[in-house]
Amino acid sequence: QKEVEQNSGPLSVPEGAIASLNCTYSDRGSQSFFWYRQYSGKSPELIMSIYSNGDKEDGRFTAQLNKASQYVSLLIRDSQPSDSATYLCAVTGNQFYFGTGTSLTVIP
Amino acid sequence: DTEVTQTPKHLVMGMTNKKSLKCEQHMGHRAMYWYKQKAKKPPELMFVYSYEKLSINESVPSRFSPECPNSSLLNLHLHALQPEDSALYLCASSQERASGRALEETQYFGPGTRLLVL
Repeated sequence: QKEVEQNSGPLSVPEGAIASLNCTYSDRGSQSFFWYRQYSGKSPELIMSIYSNGDKEDGRFTAQLNKASQYVSLLIRDSQPSDSATYLCAVTGNQFYFGTGTSLTVIP
Repeated sequence: DTEVTQTPKHLVMGMTNKKSLKCEQHMGHRAMYWYKQKAKKPPELMFVYSYEKLSINESVPSRFSPECPNSSLLNLHLHALQPEDSALYLCASSQERASGRALEETQYFGPGTRLLVL
C-alpha cells in the first residue's frame, strides 16, 4: 500500500463546474496536509495547507480533511481552463510523502 | 517574498563531468530541500538540510553531494552521473518552527533545473 494515494485521472470537467480531487493516506500520525498544483514543465505551487479536521476555504478552493477516515480532498469551484494541471497531495508527519498526482483538464 | 531561485535553468552534462546546481532563498527559512522529479512522476525527496546541517539523506547515491554553505544557499554537486539521472531537480525551502519538524511546514519550490545526462 502506498503511503499517499490519489486517483491518477485524467479528470475532465467542463468550465464552470466543480472539480473534486481526492487523496487518502496510510500514516495515522500525519499532521500536515498540502495541495500543490503543477503545470507541465513547471515546479509545484502551493494551493492550500490544512492541519485540522474540517473545511478550509480560499477563494475558489476548498480543502477538506477527515483524519478519522485518513482522507483529504480539494474542491475547485467555477473551474477555469487555467486550472488544468496536475494536483499533488502531500502528507507529512515523521516523513514526507507526495501522492502520484491527479491530472485535471478543464474543458472550455 | 516567497521566492526560491535556482541556477542554471537547464544543464547538459556528460557522464564524466562535474557540475553544480545552486539554490537560494531570502525568506529566512532554516530548512532547505532537494528533490528529483522524473516526467509524469511526483517529486522524490533527496536531501533535507535543517539549520545548515544535513538531517535527511534518502539513500541517494554518492554521485550526488549536497552542500549548505549558509542558511540562504544550497548546492548540489554532481559527478559521474548516469543517463537515468536526467530529471528536473527541484529545490525547496520552509520554516522550521519546532526543532526537527521542518517537514510539517509549507515548502516553497524553486523553478527547478532541468538536467540532461548524455
